[in-house]
Amino acid sequence: AQSVAQPEDQVNVAEGNPLTVKCTYSVSGNPYLFWYVQYPNRGLQFLLKYITGDNLVKGSYGFEAEFNKSQTSFHLKKPSALVSDSALYFCSLKDMRFGAGTRLTVKP
Amino acid sequence: DVKVTQSSRYLVKRTGEKVFLECVQDMDHENMFWYRQDPGLGLRLIYFSYDVKMKEKGDIPEGYSVSREKKERFSLILESASTNQTSMYLCASSPGQGRNSPLHFGNGTRLTVT
Repeated sequence: AQSVAQPEDQVNVAEGNPLTVKCTYSVSGNPYLFWYVQYPNRGLQFLLKYITGDNLVKGSYGFEAEFNKSQTSFHLKKPSALVSDSALYFCSLKDMRFGAGTRLTVKP
Repeated sequence: DVKVTQSSRYLVKRTGEKVFLECVQDMDHENMFWYRQDPGLGLRLIYFSYDVKMKEKGDIPEGYSVSREKKERFSLILESASTNQTSMYLCASSPGQGRNSPLHFGNGTRLTVT
C-alpha cells in the first residue's frame, strides 16, 4: 500500500534558526509528493511539490524540500524560521493520502 | 485564484439527523474530494469524484454518501449523524489532468453531533 508518514507530531524551533519537518514515503512507481500548510481555522494551502527532476524543490514563503530516493524521504526545510511559520504541516501523495501532520512552533 | 467555498463554518446537529455539507468550487475543476480531519489522524479521505454524477469511495466512506449533480458542487451527506462523526470536514478540488496537480481546499466545516 502507498503511504506517507510524518514521524514527528511536534517540532519546536527558535526564530532565525533553520527548520526541518520530516516526511517519509512508501510507493510503487513515481512518488509524486506534496507539502501543504494549515493555519488556524483555515483549510490547507499548497506549498510545493516534487514530480520529477531536481531533488531540491523550492516553494512558497521561502520553503524548500529535498527529495531523497535512497532514504525515501521528502523533508520540508527553511533556512531561517519565522514566528509566522507556526502552523500545521502535511505531507501527501499523488493518490490524495496525507500524513498525520506535524505542528511547527517557532518561538521568538 | 481558485475558490472553494464550504457553506457553513460551524454546524451543530443532533444524533440521528440527516446532515448535508455543501461545497462549491469556481474554477471548473473536474476533481472534488471530501476529507475529515481529526487530531493525530491527519486528513482521511471519505469520498471523491472525477466527474459529474461519478463518485468513488475513499478510506472511510461508512456512514457517509455524496452527490455531484453539477460540476462545481460536491455535497457530503451524513444519513444519520452519530457522535463519532464530530469532526472538521474539508472539501478540496483539483483540475483533471493527471495526479500531479495540487489540491485547493475550502476553509472547512466544524461539525458537532450531540
